[in-house]
Amino acid sequence: KAGVTQTPRYLIKTRGQQVTLSCSPISGHRSVSWYQQTPGQGLQFLFEYFSETQRNKGNFPGRFSGRQFSNSRSEMNVSTLELGDSALYLCASSGTGTSGLTDTQYFGPGTRLTVL
Amino acid sequence: GESVGLHLPTLSVQEGDNSIINCAYSNSASDYFIWYKQESGKGPQFIIDIRSNMDKRQGQRVTVLLNKTVKHLSLQIAATQPGDSAVYFCAESNDMRFGAGTRLTVKP
Repeated sequence: KAGVTQTPRYLIKTRGQQVTLSCSPISGHRSVSWYQQTPGQGLQFLFEYFSETQRNKGNFPGRFSGRQFSNSRSEMNVSTLELGDSALYLCASSGTGTSGLTDTQYFGPGTRLTVL
Repeated sequence: GESVGLHLPTLSVQEGDNSIINCAYSNSASDYFIWYKQESGKGPQFIIDIRSNMDKRQGQRVTVLLNKTVKHLSLQIAATQPGDSAVYFCAESNDMRFGAGTRLTVKP
C-alpha cells in the first residue's frame, strides 16, 4: 500500500505570495492532518480534515487554510506569505473516524517551504 | 500554559546500550500519548503509544512508561542500534501537542 505523498517536496516563494501544498493520504484513510515543523517551535498542529470537513484546528492565523476533496486528498493554502512561514509542512493520514491523535497517524515526507 | 516538553535536546549512547528519552506533560486530563521517530529528511514515524489507564507498554525493543502522578513519560530503547539515530517526539493526543524532540545519536 502506497504511503502518504506530498507535493511539491521543495518550494521557494517570496513574501506576500501565496502557496498551495498538496497531500494524498493512504488509500482508504479519510482523516488528513497538517502540521508545521520549525527548529524553533517544533511540530505544531495546523488542522485536521475528515470527510471534507475541518474537524480540528490549531492556533494559526487565518492565512492558513485547507480543504479536503471527496477522494480524501487535501490541500493546504498559505496566503500573504511571511518570512516566518518558512518551515517543513507535514501531512498525516489516519484510517479511523476518531478525532484527534487517537489513531496511528502516518506522515508524509513533507514539503519544505522557504520564504525569501 | 499547558505544554508537552522534553528534558534533554540531545542524547548520545554507545551501540548496544539502552537509551531512555524523557518527556513531561502538564495537562492532567491527557489520556493518550504517542512516541514518534523522525529520521533526517523523513516525516515522523509512529513507534508506540500508551493510554492513561496503563503504566507501561512494550513493543519490539521499545518500552513506554507513563507516570501520571508526576506527569512524565519515557521511551526506553533496548540494545540501541545505529539505525535508531533520529529525533524522537512525544505527543499528547487531547490537545494535538508535540514535544520539541530529542536527538538520539548512536555511536558505533
